[in-house]
Amino acid sequence: QITLKESGPTLVKPTQTLTLTCTLSGFSLSTNGVGVGWLRQPPGKALEWLAIFYWDDDKRYSPSLKSRLTITTDTSKNHVVLIMTNMDPVDTATYYCAHARRRQSCSGGRCYYFDYWGQGTLVTVSS
Amino acid sequence: QSVLTQPPSASGTPGQRVTLSCSGGSSNIGSNPVNWYQLLPGTAPKLLIYSDNQRPSGIPDRFSGSKSGTSASLAISGLQSEDEADYYCAAWDDSLKGHVFGAGTKVTVL
Repeated sequence: QITLKESGPTLVKPTQTLTLTCTLSGFSLSTNGVGVGWLRQPPGKALEWLAIFYWDDDKRYSPSLKSRLTITTDTSKNHVVLIMTNMDPVDTATYYCAHARRRQSCSGGRCYYFDYWGQGTLVTVSS
Repeated sequence: QSVLTQPPSASGTPGQRVTLSCSGGSSNIGSNPVNWYQLLPGTAPKLLIYSDNQRPSGIPDRFSGSKSGTSASLAISGLQSEDEADYYCAAWDDSLKGHVFGAGTKVTVL
């Protein structure tokens, strides 16, 4: 049973750095065709993709946020960490991590979709 | 401003069929598969449809997806009260090199 759980601070101050951890269970991030992504949803607004870490250690970032984001794992690959610098009130959102699966007979980032999601964690940016 | 365009709301009575639209362009829907997600407050988002029209195991066949050109649709037949939720379409965008989403459609069961 694939599960993911987000953890991290619920409140950060403007200009601070946010570090979120996604704890993985029921699958291996080393499995060919698997990835873990981070997404967010500001209150009342749309979902936004942030970053993804692939089974082969490749990483991709949202072009609009790339300068502020880092996605990484621990040595066991049981946790995927998202680091976002220079936080601003507009970054207030529910942050989700999600299991990504590659479609058959397909290669590249375009081939992945998010089939299992964590419950999300609300991060508020305020002084 | 979302890359994919969805109507903000839709509604129907129990048992009705509701169709949600998602419009994009040649760099996203026009050249990549579309996925649909259901978001209910306080719960993990759920994948309803992937690769335009494929249902993951456990998703009832009341949910169906289709695509034509640069537009996609999600149909919910036999509408039920538990279908009241926000629905998002998503696709990979070749120009932006990332996953893009619509703004979501809120479905209300009257």
